[in-house]
Amino acid sequence: DQQVKQNSPSLSVQEGRISILNCDYTNSMFDYFLWYKKYPAEGPTFLISISSIKDKNEDGRFTVFLNKSAKHLSLHIVPSQPGDSAVYFCAASANAGGTSYGKLTFGQGTILTVHP
Amino acid sequence: GAVVSQHPSWVICKSGTSVKIECRSLDFQATTMFWYRQFPKQSLMLMATSNEGSKATYEQGVEKDKFLINHASLTLSTLTVTSAHPEDSSFYICSARWRGGRYEQYFGPGTRLTVT
Repeated sequence: DQQVKQNSPSLSVQEGRISILNCDYTNSMFDYFLWYKKYPAEGPTFLISISSIKDKNEDGRFTVFLNKSAKHLSLHIVPSQPGDSAVYFCAASANAGGTSYGKLTFGQGTILTVHP
Repeated sequence: GAVVSQHPSWVICKSGTSVKIECRSLDFQATTMFWYRQFPKQSLMLMATSNEGSKATYEQGVEKDKFLINHASLTLSTLTVTSAHPEDSSFYICSARWRGGRYEQYFGPGTRLTVT
């Protein structure tokens, strides 16, 4: 049961343009969402997050949008740079408490390639 | 800030032997540490959640007697793969959540385990 889905395995964008990475989820208990960037053979790096009480969060070139009714979130990168080329994972967490507190469920990842 | 290290970064062992992987939070106290496994071109699969001073909580399908987790202090957790077999070969990544933090997890660089 894939509760967090990234349906696009890959995305190719020209340098300077906008990159839009999408993520869908099925568990309505999720109340916090995160985006991570990962290079091969390295651990993921935290990028940006959003709480379910918001619909937008912005940090520099990165903006995350959350549409709760559609159970959809997206990460916008503007402008895209070649150094942004990596695998991007969205993750979600439910405030279930106890030993499940803080547990993240990851999507499958989207490979972003930004061409010079 | 929020640096997590893992040691070793890669290890090759013979079938039947045990391997220990260390995960350290270098500049913060990690009340909770998580262990993930990643297969090639796949998402991160949570193996277990470990809280300092208590037993780890394992995800369904993860053998707790095979993957021993110890979280002896607020800065160190270890994963021991016992009686390793070739199918245990994988990329193992730990993450840590700091005391007072909510959902953000900070990841180590990962450990590549190859069992021959």
